[in-house]
Parts: sequence; structure tokens; C-alpha cells
Amino acid sequence: DGGITQSPKYLFRKEGQNVTLSCEQNLNHDAMYWYRQDPGQGLRLIYYSQIVNDFQKGDIAEGYSVSREKKESFPLTVTSAQKNPTAFYLCASGGQGPWNEQFFGPGTRLTVL
Amino acid sequence: AQKVTQAQTEISVVEKEDVTLDCVYETRDTTYYLFWYKQPPSGELVFLIRRNSFDEQNEISGRYSWNFQKSTSSFNFTITASQVVDSAVYFCALSEGELSGGYQKVTFGIGTKLQVIP
Repeated sequence: DGGITQSPKYLFRKEGQNVTLSCEQNLNHDAMYWYRQDPGQGLRLIYYSQIVNDFQKGDIAEGYSVSREKKESFPLTVTSAQKNPTAFYLCASGGQGPWNEQFFGPGTRLTVL
Repeated sequence: AQKVTQAQTEISVVEKEDVTLDCVYETRDTTYYLFWYKQPPSGELVFLIRRNSFDEQNEISGRYSWNFQKSTSSFNFTITASQVVDSAVYFCALSEGELSGGYQKVTFGIGTKLQVIP
């Protein structure tokens, strides 16, 4: 059955460590997105990708990196340069075009100790 | 620049009451799309409805209804006879019709947390 998977659901990291969040989709969507959700701030776009081997920075890309080597996969790396990485991270995918809704994964809650 | 305002950060209602979640948007585009998403406690956002800027017809789906008014730039969401399962965070979102550098620019509101008390 189709959908988006994210792993792990909970992740703990020590300060100074890089960590990679996984996102996989089997909906055959071209576009994929990473959002960060903080209390009282809604969803903020980190990175997006419209096609394999291409991605663009969103509104808060500093301290994050991504890759898009396969259509199905869009992993997000939270680097040690990200000053306040503790947050809930959501991955989404969708069809091309502004009229398309986005399909979201279950999210990863990252806590930096 | 586009903007979505959800002025109600938290709402509590007693089960079976009706509740309306407000959404006000700003955009310079004449073609745009509005969405509502539901985020239950599990965390995954679920798409509820889409409306394009040329279609002001209101929509009803079961206990849910949406009122789109271009004159007031609002896209409000009403739940009739609320149930405990409606407890969630609800997001309103706006997508511009013109692709911004090839990207579907979506702006989300900060969300309204709805608590339905049994």
C-alpha cells in the first residue's frame, strides 16, 4: 500500500554530531519536501526537490543538507552547524504543479542532548 | 509575498458542539489554491480539501464544511457536531498558481489546535 515512510520515529543526538533522517515514498511523486515543525510556528520548509539529482533550499536550509539520488528517497542530514536542531521533522511528496496536495510521512522527532 | 493567518491557536469545545476554524490569506496572484490539513496526535498531516481561486462554491463533506470568500480572503472550516476524534491540529495552506522557480510555493498557517472534550 502506497505512502511515505520516515525513520526513525524518535532520534536522540549528542551536540556536535551529524544525523540523517530517512524519507521514502512509493507514490511515484516527482516532488519531495522536508519541513520542520516547532510549537507555535507551523511548518517551515527546509529543502525541496522537484526531480532526481536536483534540490533547492527552502526558507530555513542553514545547517541542513539533502540528496536526491533516487525518485523514491530524499534523506535529510542535520549537521552540527544547525544551532537548534531539536524539532519535529516532516517529509512530504506530491505531484508537479501548485494544485496538488502534499502527502506527509509520520514524522521524526529529533532531540539533541 | 503570500501569507496565511490562523488567529485561533487553540480552541476547546464540548462534544457535539459546532466549531469554526478561521483562515485568512494574502496573495497577489489571481490564481492560487487553498488547502486544509489535519494533524492528529500521531503527527502525520492528512489532506482534507483543496479549493482553487476561481471556485467560490462552498463544500460540505459529512460533518465538515468549508466557506471560501474571496471578498474577505478567508477560507474557514466548520465541523458540525464535533466528536472527540476531531481533536487535532488543523492547518490552512496557500499555494501560488505561478510556479516560483519551478517550485510549488506553499505557505502554511501556524495551525489551530482543536480539543473536543467528551
